[in-house]
Amino acid sequence: DGGITQSPKYLFRKEGQNVTLSCEQNLNHDAMYWYRQDPGQGLRLIYYSQIVNDFQKGDIAEGYSVSREKKESFPLTVTSAQKNPTAFYLCASSMLPGDGYTFGSGTRLTVV
Amino acid sequence: SQQGEEDPQALSIQEGENATMNCSYKTSINNLQWYRQNSGRGLVHLILIRSNEREKHSGRLRVTLDTSKKSSSLLITASRAADTASYFCATDRLTGGGNKLTFGTGTQLKVEL
Repeated sequence: DGGITQSPKYLFRKEGQNVTLSCEQNLNHDAMYWYRQDPGQGLRLIYYSQIVNDFQKGDIAEGYSVSREKKESFPLTVTSAQKNPTAFYLCASSMLPGDGYTFGSGTRLTVV
Repeated sequence: SQQGEEDPQALSIQEGENATMNCSYKTSINNLQWYRQNSGRGLVHLILIRSNEREKHSGRLRVTLDTSKKSSSLLITASRAADTASYFCATDRLTGGGNKLTFGTGTQLKVEL
């Protein structure tokens, strides 16, 4: 079955550490997105990519980095520059920009 | 910044009743989408309505869009306990960097037996 796989489901980060969240899709979608969700709030866009080897900053890109070397993969690195990284991170994809999104099941990141 | 704002923030109804959620937004859009999120899970796409459409149906869901008022509503008819979830509206608009989907803050729906 086609879908989006995010791993790990839970991640713990020490202060000053970089961590990378994985997002893989087998839907043959061109566009991929990373969102952050804080408790009781909506989703905020971190980065998005509409084609391989190209990506754009979203509304809250500071302290994050991404790469898009393959169509299927869009990993997100949370760097030590992100001062408040504890959140629920969601990856999504769409066939074309403007289509409905398919979401992964999320990664919950906690700073310890 | 949040483009969409849902109203109410929380809604509690009995099974079998209808649930109505509203969404307001600020700028012109290409389309508006509604998503459902069960606690601690990813979002599920429910329905998409384009800016030139006024009403759309999908099963027990009915969505309206009023672009002059920059508002949309989602109606769930004959609700079930399994409909308990958070519901988000999201607006798609074209920016210099391409299409961007911006989510509202959500409505928490609880359907009680």
